[in-house]
Amino acid sequence: GAGVSQSPRYKVAKRGQDVALRCDPISGHVSLFWYQQALGQGPEFLTYFQNEAQLDKSGLPSDRFFAERPEGSVSTLKIQRTQQEDSAVYLCASSLIAGTRGNQPQHFGDGTRLSIL
Amino acid sequence: SQQGEEDPQALSIQEGENATMNCSYKTSINNLQWYRQNSGRGLVHLILIRSNEREKHSGRLRVTLDTSKKSSSLLITASRAADTASYFCATVFSGGYNKLIFGAGTRLAVHP
Repeated sequence: GAGVSQSPRYKVAKRGQDVALRCDPISGHVSLFWYQQALGQGPEFLTYFQNEAQLDKSGLPSDRFFAERPEGSVSTLKIQRTQQEDSAVYLCASSLIAGTRGNQPQHFGDGTRLSIL
Repeated sequence: SQQGEEDPQALSIQEGENATMNCSYKTSINNLQWYRQNSGRGLVHLILIRSNEREKHSGRLRVTLDTSKKSSSLLITASRAADTASYFCATVFSGGYNKLIFGAGTRLAVHP
């Protein structure tokens, strides 16, 4: 079966432009996560969806960042008025079951590498 | 901010040798997971160890967890050039939404 798919793989934008990053999770996966990974660092949590509900957005760095998952499958991460510090790899991950015990792996896409000029 | 630290930051070994990576974390956890990342790719789940487990094996991988010291180690035995990658530990807190809190990773290079 297909894994988590992210598009585009690379995105270059000028400072101040808006960007939209797409994530197609594994079919049937309830949980969807977005992470931001700076060069040479580990990923950092941005936001979490359980089906279409955004239950945790505590990691979003500013109100310029917005995520949605309107039908509980595909998700979009939007960054408005991009800044140079937004340059990073944005990773999406999904897992099968929702729940608070976390005893299950997350399946990651290959990420979108965003460069802000 | 990231949960903890991995040690060493980089490791260079010859094929056939064992590689050991350590991870420390700061707060109580539900479980700890290890992931691997090849350059330019996403993360691949390797192994999950629950807070009430002390050791777990999967193929050439051995993971230990010491909750009293808030630390974990990943041992890769009989390493291969294909094991060259970055390795990350990630923790999951009790009561959260299963979000992963990652360390900064260990970059492993295995030379033929």
